[in-house]
Parts: sequence; structure tokens; C-alpha cells
Amino acid sequence: AQSVTQPDIHITVSEGASLELRCNYSYGATPYLFWYVQSPGQGLQLLLKYFSGDTLVQGIKGFEAEFKRSQSSFNLRKPSVHWSDAAEYFCAVGPDGSGNTGKLIFGQGTTLQVKP
Amino acid sequence: ETGVTQTPRHLVMGMTNKKSLKCEQHLGHNAMYWYKQSAKKPLELMFVYSLEERVENNSVPSRFSPECPNSSHLFLHLHTLQPEDSALYLCASSQQRPGQGHTGELFFGEGSRLTVL
Repeated sequence: AQSVTQPDIHITVSEGASLELRCNYSYGATPYLFWYVQSPGQGLQLLLKYFSGDTLVQGIKGFEAEFKRSQSSFNLRKPSVHWSDAAEYFCAVGPDGSGNTGKLIFGQGTTLQVKP
Repeated sequence: ETGVTQTPRHLVMGMTNKKSLKCEQHLGHNAMYWYKQSAKKPLELMFVYSLEERVENNSVPSRFSPECPNSSHLFLHLHTLQPEDSALYLCASSQQRPGQGHTGELFFGEGSRLTVL
């Protein structure tokens, strides 16, 4: 069955430090991969996506992610974290193969706290 | 108005009440979704409408009833809810391209925070 695992429930980094959020997936076909961010009280905003091609993808707000098929991973990175990056981050994979519904499977999320 | 808007943003209801959540998308998309977000749990897909037809219902209890009158509007009718139904309900939309399947990229609203007393 398809699944997404975000091993880190909670991460704390200092402002200006680098960041890597881990995502591992289980998927039977070539996946489409996404990272979303959710600020408190808000909906989810797309940070970046991978469909095909270059395995290093750039997103908004200075984020990037690298697709590694051999490791079934799609880790999110940022060289220097800003206090405004504190939020919850979700990795997702899809579609789930059930036709054309566009259904995404989400991980449990990683809460990022940024220390001054 | 742009993007996906949801109303109300907050709703408190008793277990015997009937209420509705509304979602409107201004992106010209042809698919809409309801997700439930509970604390410490992954997002749960509840309903999918594609081209205004319900194509997925993930074993959601009948006390939740969706309605999609057109491609821009989606409702979630609520009745006789339970306290465990308290959650953030997120609406999303996406575009299905004929002959190309679905990329799965979703655009979310800000959610309706539901509290059932």
C-alpha cells in the first residue's frame, strides 16, 4: 500500500541554521511528490513539487527538495532558516492510482520550531 | 476573491444541530475535495468530486453529507455529529486534464475549525 513517512514529528533549529526535513514514501509507480507548509490557523500551501526530470527541485521561500529513487526519499532543505519558517510541513505522494481522482497521501507532518 | 475560500472559519455546534460548511474556488478547477485534519493524525481524505460527480467516498459516516452543485462550489452538510468529529476541515481544488490524468497538485482553503460539544 502507498504510504508516506515523516520520521521527525518535531524539529527545533536556530535561526540562520540549515534545515533538512525527511520524507520517505512507499509507492508502486513513479510518484508525484509534494511538500506543503501549514502556518498556524491556515490551510496548506504548496512549497514545491516533483513530477519528473531534474531530481533537485526548487520551491518558494528558498526551499528545495531532492528526489532519490534508490532511497525512496524526498527530503526538504533550506540553507538558512528564518523565524517565519516556523510551521508544520507535510510531505505527500500521489496520485494514488485509483483513476483520475488526484488523491494525495499525506505524511503525519513535521512541526518546525525556530529559536532566535 | 482569489484561490479557495471557506466559510465559516470557526463553527461550534451541539450534537443535535445541523450546519453546513461552504467552499468556493476561483481557480477554474474541475475537481474539489474535503479533507479532515485532526491533531496528531495525517490528513484524511473524505470526499472527492471530479467534474461535479462524486468519485470517492472514503467510508465517511453518513452524518457527513457532501454537495457539489457546480464546479466552483462544494458544501459539507453536518448533522448529529459526535465530539470526535471536532477537527479542521479543509477544502481543496485541482485541475484534471482530459487525457493526461491528474497531477494531484492541490490548492487548499484556510479551513473551517469545527468544535462539537
